[in-house]
Amino acid sequence: AQTVTQSQPEMSVQEAETVTLSCTYDTSESDYYLFWYKQPPSRQMILVIRQEAYKQQNATENRFSVNFQKAAKSFSLKISDSQLGDAAMYFCAYRSAGGSQGNLIFGKGTKLSVKP
Amino acid sequence: DAGVTQSPTHLIKTRGQQVTLRCSPISGHKSVSWYQQVLGQGPQFIFQYYEKEERGRGNFPDRFSARQFPNYSSELNVNALLLGDSALYLCASSLTFGSATTDTQYFGPGTRLTVL
Repeated sequence: AQTVTQSQPEMSVQEAETVTLSCTYDTSESDYYLFWYKQPPSRQMILVIRQEAYKQQNATENRFSVNFQKAAKSFSLKISDSQLGDAAMYFCAYRSAGGSQGNLIFGKGTKLSVKP
Repeated sequence: DAGVTQSPTHLIKTRGQQVTLRCSPISGHKSVSWYQQVLGQGPQFIFQYYEKEERGRGNFPDRFSARQFPNYSSELNVNALLLGDSALYLCASSLTFGSATTDTQYFGPGTRLTVL
């Protein structure tokens, strides 16, 4: 079974600085998708970024980028120019690409605080 | 376009009661998934439906059931409530199932269930 591990329960960053959130996963599959979701206190889970395992190029979305290392099974999220609105729980998630498994497998999350 | 909507927002029940949670997917989305998020944890997969058929089931007891209607909305039912069922129940919709990027899941705001 696949597992997702987020080893940093809490992180803190100064406004305008850069922070990196870590995620590792375990799988025997070769084709899959990885996601970072953001969950602010409002509870709504918001998709931040998505990475296809078959793509070597790291995904980027504005201030958000990932460092995807397939061999190491590592998928970290870098937030540049941090803003107060970035404060939230961040969840790393895995989904198989094949077969009938369409569900997401989540890590336990990292709580990010942004200091003004 | 409206996002995923869920009702009710909050719900308080007592042990042994039954509860029904509702979800309306994004317009055009045909797949709905349900997740349970216990406080301080990442979401856990409960069910996934596509075109009114169950496509996946997580490790939850038979007290949990769900269905999807012809308009692609969905209901999650939980019978014989236990204290441990207290959680945030998230619904997510996706355009398709089993495809590539079109089955990216978008989440609703959740229903907070408290069992006393």
